Amino acid sequence: DADVTQTPRNRITKTGKRIMLECSQTKGHDRMYWYRQDPGLGLRLIYYSFDVKDINKGEISDGYSVSRQAQAKFSLSLESAIPNQTALYFCATSDFTNGGYEQYFGPGTRLTVT
Amino acid sequence: DQQVKQNSPSLSVQEGRISILNCDYTNSMFDYFLWYKKYPAEGPTFLISISSIKDKNEDGRFTVFLNKSAKHLSLHIVPSQPGDSAVYFCAGGGTSYGKLTFGQGTILTVHP
Repeated sequence: DADVTQTPRNRITKTGKRIMLECSQTKGHDRMYWYRQDPGLGLRLIYYSFDVKDINKGEISDGYSVSRQAQAKFSLSLESAIPNQTALYFCATSDFTNGGYEQYFGPGTRLTVT
Repeated sequence: DQQVKQNSPSLSVQEGRISILNCDYTNSMFDYFLWYKKYPAEGPTFLISISSIKDKNEDGRFTVFLNKSAKHLSLHIVPSQPGDSAVYFCAGGGTSYGKLTFGQGTILTVHP
């Protein structure tokens, strides 16, 4: 079984709709992250959380919100989806070993906003 | 402000030859650097890392070199294999940050 899972794997939605992407992990890590990948722009950090009560904005948090429901679950919401949020979204986890640098990624969610 | 840059969007190499992927950074506070590999339809996976106190780290066919004065790191793959064809991301991190900043990625294609 995968250590980091993301649901859904693919989603097509319309402009203005609210959508939630979910991430679960069985690695027991405290730290969780949400990234988006766009061609030519690499991986950009949206939000990150170092524990259940600690949520931080990344470099591109506008238009997104998150919820850390438990140590193992971290959800990303688009309150009102827009076409330029069409991208590949990844969840990742890490712990404090080696400074927490090594991150473990889920398989990704491909989101299309029409 | 792009703190980590991979200026080559793609690289094509013959099987058995060396692949060299490059990465430049601007943030002097980074004290750890990593390379990730990504296949289509999968998430990135950790490949190799290097601390800023070192200038080289080797793991099998993969070697990462760090030149702090030039703020440059590179990944060498020797010998290259067709299975190495993937997108490679470099990333920098700092102890005070607890997070990584990624480059744009380089698509490596290794031809048989």
